[in-house]
Amino acid sequence: GENVGLHLPTLSVQEGDNSIINCAYSNSASDYFIWYKQESGKGPQFIIDIRSNMDKRQGQRVTVLLNKTVKHLSLQIAATQPGDSAVYFCAENYGQNFVFGPGTRLSVLP
Amino acid sequence: KAGVTQTPRYLIKTRGQQVTLSCSPISGHRSVSWYQQTPGQGLQFLFEYFSETQRNKGNFPGRFSGRQFSNSRSEMNVSTLELGDSALYLCASSLETGTNGKAFFGQGTRLTVV
Repeated sequence: GENVGLHLPTLSVQEGDNSIINCAYSNSASDYFIWYKQESGKGPQFIIDIRSNMDKRQGQRVTVLLNKTVKHLSLQIAATQPGDSAVYFCAENYGQNFVFGPGTRLSVLP
Repeated sequence: KAGVTQTPRYLIKTRGQQVTLSCSPISGHRSVSWYQQTPGQGLQFLFEYFSETQRNKGNFPGRFSGRQFSNSRSEMNVSTLELGDSALYLCASSLETGTNGKAFFGQGTRLTVV
């Protein structure tokens, strides 16, 4: 089962390099953000979250950066591995539900 | 702890029929949200249930409805199916309602309307 469409922005990265996936969110009142990873045939998987009172948060091999001034969120993956190949979504909390971005397909080259 | 379980995984229906999808949340999670995922529109929020009450609703027609049972299991129903309803329907559960959290997704039900 495919995840989403055929026309997603695609980021191709060499194995071992760092990846940076960007997301522009829509609402300045959003106060909570999540990055999800969706592999083919699976539902989205939680990666990392960040609240609006923070600029940066680190997890295992991943870092999320939040720039509220320009409403921009990024996900950095260190030492990208073949298993990181997937579609990545950012989600912003606006009101009482989450709004998802269109997604970016990460392709890891051998 | 078992993850979010959605049944069935795949479904084929004809236009005009109705369909019911099921979601069992992670044990202890009381919030269940439903999403529609299509190539053209991406992930779109349908509705959220918490303690058997619909808390939030997305911008979908009334043909899309849902409910939640006392054990937190949820069903969504789509009546008078249209070709455009073909999509992956995802259920997500979280401990609390709204935005307090990390929502954990099931693998989805792939609905094809012919």
